[in-house]
Amino acid sequence: KQEVTQIPAALSVPEGENLVLNCSFTDSAIYNLQWFRQDPGKGLTSLLLIQSSQREQTSGRLNASLDKSSGRSTLYIAASQPGDSATYLCAVRNFGNEKLTFGTGTRLTIIP
Amino acid sequence: GAGVSQSPSNKVTEKGKDVELRCDPISGHTALYWYRQSLGQGLEFLIYFQGNSAPDKSGLPSDRFSAERTGGSVSTLTIQRTQQEDSAVYLCASRVQGNTEAFFGQGTRLTVV
Repeated sequence: KQEVTQIPAALSVPEGENLVLNCSFTDSAIYNLQWFRQDPGKGLTSLLLIQSSQREQTSGRLNASLDKSSGRSTLYIAASQPGDSATYLCAVRNFGNEKLTFGTGTRLTIIP
Repeated sequence: GAGVSQSPSNKVTEKGKDVELRCDPISGHTALYWYRQSLGQGLEFLIYFQGNSAPDKSGLPSDRFSAERTGGSVSTLTIQRTQQEDSAVYLCASRVQGNTEAFFGQGTRLTVV
């Protein structure tokens, strides 16, 4: 059974800093991994999808990396802004299984 | 619309009543998911549809929960005889076939009183 962990549960950093969010998973036979953000009281917004054959994906100030052998992904946010404050979730989809297994998220606060 | 649409956005119901939650996926998206997010908890998988079929219902918590999808499009999640522990945000997501991104709706916040 796939288990996804995100540590820390909460993180506060000053505006302008670069930061890294972590996601680890127990079953490395993944099909893809997706990063989302969730604002309070809202649904999930897709940030990046990284396929099992890829090592990283970039979108603007965001960069996601994937290391299947160690069961880890990181989301790097450059030059953080107050608007980046949200909960960040990673989700894994395994081969032969259509469902997405989510981590419990990291609540990020950017301090102006 | 351009995104996944869910209705209603909020629903308050009395314990014991039945409720129906609706999801309109992105046009052309054959895969559809329902998830539940309880207060302070992670996302809990409920059911997955491919077209009108539900090959994975493993997350439905009890037989009070059911879902259907018609025309390969709209899906309805029905909760019968609601209980207070059913209070949560119910999220729907869709994607096209293959190794693709899933897109979520804004959710329905269900409160059972």
